[in-house]
Amino acid sequence: QKEVEQDPGPLSVPEGAIVSLNCTYSNSAFQYFMWYRQYSRKGPELLMYTYSSGNKEDGRFTAQVDKSSKYISLFIRDSQPSDSATYLCARYNTDKLIFGTGTRLQVFP
Amino acid sequence: ETGVTQSPTHLIKTRGQQVTLRCSSQSGHNTVSWYQQALGQGPQFIFQYYREEENGRGNFPPRFSGLQFPNYSSELNVNALELDDSALYLCASSFWTSVSDTQYFGPGTRLTVL
Repeated sequence: QKEVEQDPGPLSVPEGAIVSLNCTYSNSAFQYFMWYRQYSRKGPELLMYTYSSGNKEDGRFTAQVDKSSKYISLFIRDSQPSDSATYLCARYNTDKLIFGTGTRLQVFP
Repeated sequence: ETGVTQSPTHLIKTRGQQVTLRCSSQSGHNTVSWYQQALGQGPQFIFQYYREEENGRGNFPPRFSGLQFPNYSSELNVNALELDDSALYLCASSFWTSVSDTQYFGPGTRLTVL
């Protein structure tokens, strides 16, 4: 079992839709999670980071961690075509980030 | 923009050759991490340098080696290149503490091994 699992998609939604991106993790030792956005042929861009359980909101983005089910989610409200990218979830572990495979999102006008 | 730069942007090498990739960290950061990202996969941790010392290493063979310099710039060296080394190589800089390590990535170097 991979430490961080993520559905690779692709996920295709119309402009304005609410998008839900999800990851599961297997090791409860660390509680620091990040979401990165990666455009094609670019480096990952940090979107949000969060500790432990609960929600964290930043503009149209909300990150949610559910420790009991080892589930982390990223919600995007009012999605835009410019949100079309691959979204990577990551868990911090002592000296490294452990990434999921990424979910490819396409928002069509 | 993160302030993390990498060079070169693209590189083509042949099997058996050696390559050096370079990274310049964001100002104020004391740590640099290197990752390998194969097509369609998430980044895989290679190693991390904190204040010029290796601070952790992933599951990569010794032919992957690195350096961090006093100005916190860094190099990734790969010897005896193999076809499977073809990937996007990412460096990330951060201000490491024992409880958090928010890493900011550069644009990457795309290495093709023929």
